[in-house]
Parts: sequence; structure tokens; C-alpha cells
Amino acid sequence: DQQVKQNSPSLSVQEGRISILNCDYTNSMFDYFLWYKKYPAEGPTFLISISSIKDKNEDGRFTVFLNKSAKHLSLHIVPSQPGDSAVYFCAASAQGGTSYGKLTFGQGTILTVHP
Amino acid sequence: DSGVTQTPKHLITATGQRVTLRCSPRSGDLSVYWYQQSLDQGLQFLIQYYNGEERAKGNILERFSAQQFPDLHSELNLSSLELGDSALYFCASSVDLIPSSPLHFGNGTRLTVT
Repeated sequence: DQQVKQNSPSLSVQEGRISILNCDYTNSMFDYFLWYKKYPAEGPTFLISISSIKDKNEDGRFTVFLNKSAKHLSLHIVPSQPGDSAVYFCAASAQGGTSYGKLTFGQGTILTVHP
Repeated sequence: DSGVTQTPKHLITATGQRVTLRCSPRSGDLSVYWYQQSLDQGLQFLIQYYNGEERAKGNILERFSAQQFPDLHSELNLSSLELGDSALYFCASSVDLIPSSPLHFGNGTRLTVT
């Protein structure tokens, strides 16, 4: 049962344009969402997060949007740079219970930004 | 550098064998997580420890076990290895259990079972 889904395995974007990565979730108990970036031969690194009480969070070139009714979130990167080329994972967390702090990850989207 | 150290980086072993993966969390982090990433898969949660105690279990096989020691380092033991256990195993740590405290990942241990 894939509770967090990233339906696009890959995305190719021109440098300077916007990159939009999408993520859907099914578990209504999720209330905190994060994006991680992963380069080859390295572990994932935290990028940006959003709580379910917000619908938008911005950090420099990165903005995450959350649509709770649609159980959908997206990561916007503007402008995209070649160094942004990596695998992007969406992750979700549910507060409370025994799984406090545990993250459920999507399958990842490979972003390639062409110069 | 995330501050999370995983050893070894690579491990090649035969089916039926047993291996131990080691993780040293970031200084000050009390919570340790283990994740498995198989080919073309996302990160699958295995198990979580907080200050030495098991907090949550995910899709961890009975052949797998883990523990967190008093110095907070953690070990993941994989036994009776099968070909399908070949994967990247990541350890992550966080300072506490609050979701807003991001997980910091190590660079992983690549396990190849032949």
C-alpha cells in the first residue's frame, strides 16, 4: 500500500525555467510533509517542509504548496539551476501514536535541469 | 556532511550469511531510523529507536533486527540473507520525535547478496 505517491519518475527542465514536482498521499492522518533531495552516492538531504495548518511555505527558490482536500502537494523550484539535478523525494509524517517522527516516502522523481 | 556516519559503505556477501550495519547518529541526536531502498523503490521504513528504546516498526522482516546502544549508535543485523535483500540501507537521525525536526541521513550501506 503506497501511501505517498510520486507519479512522475522523471522530469526534464531547461535552466531558468520552473520545475514542478508533484506528490499525492492517501493517509488522512498525515499532517506534516517534507521534501528531500538526493544526489548519487549520498543520503537524502532535507529541503523544505510544510505543516498541514499551512497551504504554502517558501524558502528562497523553493516553494511547497499543500492542497489538503486533494491530498496533494507540490514543490516549485524557480528558477531551476543545473545543480538542482537530483532525485527528489516527498515524505509525510503523522503526529501522535507510536509512529511519531517516522517518515513515509514516495518513490522519488529524477529532476534533470539542462543548461 | 550530515554528521551521520554509516559503515561499511559497501558489503558483498553470499546468501544465507549474516551481516551487521553500523550507524553513528549526529552528535546530540537521540532518535535513529533505518530505511531500505531497493532498486526503483522509495525509502521503506524499517525501524526507529529513541534514546535506546524501540519506538516504531515498519516493514522489517523477522530475519532483521536492530538495537540502539547507550552511546546512541545503532546496529542493523540482517541474517539468513536472500538475493532480494540486496539494497541500499540508510540510517537517519533526528534530535527528537517532532516531525518538524528533519531527519539527517547517512550516505548509506550498499549491500549486495550473491
